[in-house]
Amino acid sequence: AQTVTQSQPEMSVQEAETVTLSCTYDTSESDYYLFWYKQPPSRQMILVIRQEAYKQQNATENRFSVNFQKAAKSFSLKISDSQLGDAAMYFCAYSSYNTDKLIFGTGTRLQVFP
Amino acid sequence: DAGVIQSPRHEVTEMGQEVTLRCKPISGHDYLFWYRQTMMRGLELLIYFNNNVPIDDSGMPEDRFSAKMPNASFSTLKIQPSEPRDSAVYFCASSLREANQPQHFGDGTRLSIL
Repeated sequence: AQTVTQSQPEMSVQEAETVTLSCTYDTSESDYYLFWYKQPPSRQMILVIRQEAYKQQNATENRFSVNFQKAAKSFSLKISDSQLGDAAMYFCAYSSYNTDKLIFGTGTRLQVFP
Repeated sequence: DAGVIQSPRHEVTEMGQEVTLRCKPISGHDYLFWYRQTMMRGLELLIYFNNNVPIDDSGMPEDRFSAKMPNASFSTLKIQPSEPRDSAVYFCASSLREANQPQHFGDGTRLSIL
């Protein structure tokens, strides 16, 4: 069975600085998708970024980028120029190519200080 | 475009009562998912539908939980009888059929069973 591990329960960053959130996963599959979701205090789940495992190029979305290391089964999220509005819980998620089920990590709470 | 709509946003009820949570997916989406979020267990997939047909209900905790999707624009998650340990935030999400299109989440229903 696939698992997703986020080893950092909490992280903090100063406004305008860069922070990296870690995520590792375990799977025997070769084709899959990885996601980062953001959950602000309003509790809405918002898709931040998505990576297809067959693509070597790391996905980027404005200030958000990932470092996808397939061999190491690592999928970290880098937030550049952090803003106060980035404060939230961040969830890493895995989806098999053959199913549409999302398997979530336990989340990392990010605090942003002015 | 309207997103996934869940109702009610909050529900407080007494143990033993029947609870019905409602979800309207994004129009045109083929998949619908029900998740439960608790502090102890994080985000768990309960059940998901493809074209109104339940595909995988292995996450449904017990027979007290049931879910239906009578048409493409409506789904319910019912708990009968409810217990205090069912207290959680319940999310509905929907997505398109194409391989692993991102899931779009509703705002969730916070359920408290007294």
